[in-house]
Amino acid sequence: SQQGEEDPQALSIQEGENATMNCSYKTSINNLQWYRQNSGRGLVHLILIRSNEREKHSGRLRVTLDTSKKSSSLLITASRAADTASYFCATENSGGSNYKLTFGKGTLLTVNP
Amino acid sequence: DAGITQSPRHKVTETGTPVTLRCHQTENHRYMYWYRQDPGHGLRLIHYSYGVKDTDKGEVSDGYSVSRSKTEDFLLTLESATSSQTSVYFCAIRDAYEQYFGPGTRLTVT
Repeated sequence: SQQGEEDPQALSIQEGENATMNCSYKTSINNLQWYRQNSGRGLVHLILIRSNEREKHSGRLRVTLDTSKKSSSLLITASRAADTASYFCATENSGGSNYKLTFGKGTLLTVNP
Repeated sequence: DAGITQSPRHKVTETGTPVTLRCHQTENHRYMYWYRQDPGHGLRLIHYSYGVKDTDKGEVSDGYSVSRSKTEDFLLTLESATSSQTSVYFCAIRDAYEQYFGPGTRLTVT
């Protein structure tokens, strides 16, 4: 079953605007990760946030984690047409073994020039 | 791309035939994974491996088997392909905490 659920399923914005995507999950986690997938390609790792962290930055990306609400958000600032892709959250559940990730269904981001 | 290749990249096969997909890595990673990606379902784990000859089932393992006889190769076999196994298959490796994905294999079962 899916652990992470992204919201919204699709998002369309203009270049230069900020894009925010949310992820909710159900069980306790060790970490939460965000991945990007360009059409027809494999997923690419963007950023990881551990369960004891609340916010993390990487370039134009900002990730927040609220373990009390079991939710995370990914903010992409000053978006570019090249940011058009699907974005997935993935959780590594605590108490498990063998380092499995559970992926959500993704948010399709379209950045219009 | 973490040195991950998948073969074949595209395959069309008939219902009932066996199919084997190959994932090859060049960087000696211990953990390897097979996922399938379908519209509306995101990425779902089929099988994974935590070492040579050490494998375990994922979320959607029925109808699939895997083998890992050497570190660099992880094979996914569809024992008797069905139309419901038409999908895009991704292999991944784990490095530190992150996973790195291959380019995918598009499989069509007619």
